Amino acid sequence: ILNVEQSPQSLHVQEGDSTNFTCSFPSSNFYALHWYRWETAKSPEALFVMTLNGDEKKKGRISATLNTKEGYSYLYIKGSQPEDSATYLCAFGGGSSNTGKLIFGQGTTLQVKP
Amino acid sequence: NAGVTQTPKFRVLKTGQSMTLLCAQDMNHEYMYWYRQDPGMGLRLIHYSVGEGTTAKGEVPDGYNVSRLKKQNFLLGLESAAPSQTSVYFCASSYFPGGADNQPQHFGDGTRLSIL
Repeated sequence: ILNVEQSPQSLHVQEGDSTNFTCSFPSSNFYALHWYRWETAKSPEALFVMTLNGDEKKKGRISATLNTKEGYSYLYIKGSQPEDSATYLCAFGGGSSNTGKLIFGQGTTLQVKP
Repeated sequence: NAGVTQTPKFRVLKTGQSMTLLCAQDMNHEYMYWYRQDPGMGLRLIHYSVGEGTTAKGEVPDGYNVSRLKKQNFLLGLESAAPSQTSVYFCASSYFPGGADNQPQHFGDGTRLSIL
């Protein structure tokens, strides 16, 4: 059974703090690692899709890195703002063939206090 | 441009009733997926489709059936609803994901289903 683990489960920070989360996934048969941002009462929205070992992606104050050999990805938020409050999901795409199936972690819920 | 639209948004059923959830996408995506989301658990894949006329089982397919008769629509059916199927259901779609050009999934707003 393939397992995707995210830590921490939840995080409370002050506005302006920088923070990071971890996603651990199987290190074999890797196709892609996705990050999604999920605000309450909305649907998940894609942040990054990463496919190559050593990939680094950036969107504004949010960035992500990927290590496929050891099976982890980090998501960083620089200078957190209240609007960054959301659940951040990572999802692993892998297996013997690329069917587009993803296995999601349980998410890290971030709350940013003004 | 509507993206991914799920119908209905809410539904309450009695045990044993049947119903169909509809997912429609207007992005010409090949791949479509049905997930369920339960407290304390990540999104779990129920069934998916890699193209019109094809379907395949995901992680938790028991008690559900699906059909993809048209490229833009993906239907999820519950033949005999059970309380364990109380959940929030999300549909998603993506382009063909192959190789380095892996594409993100686009999600609908979800259907909240309660089975009494």
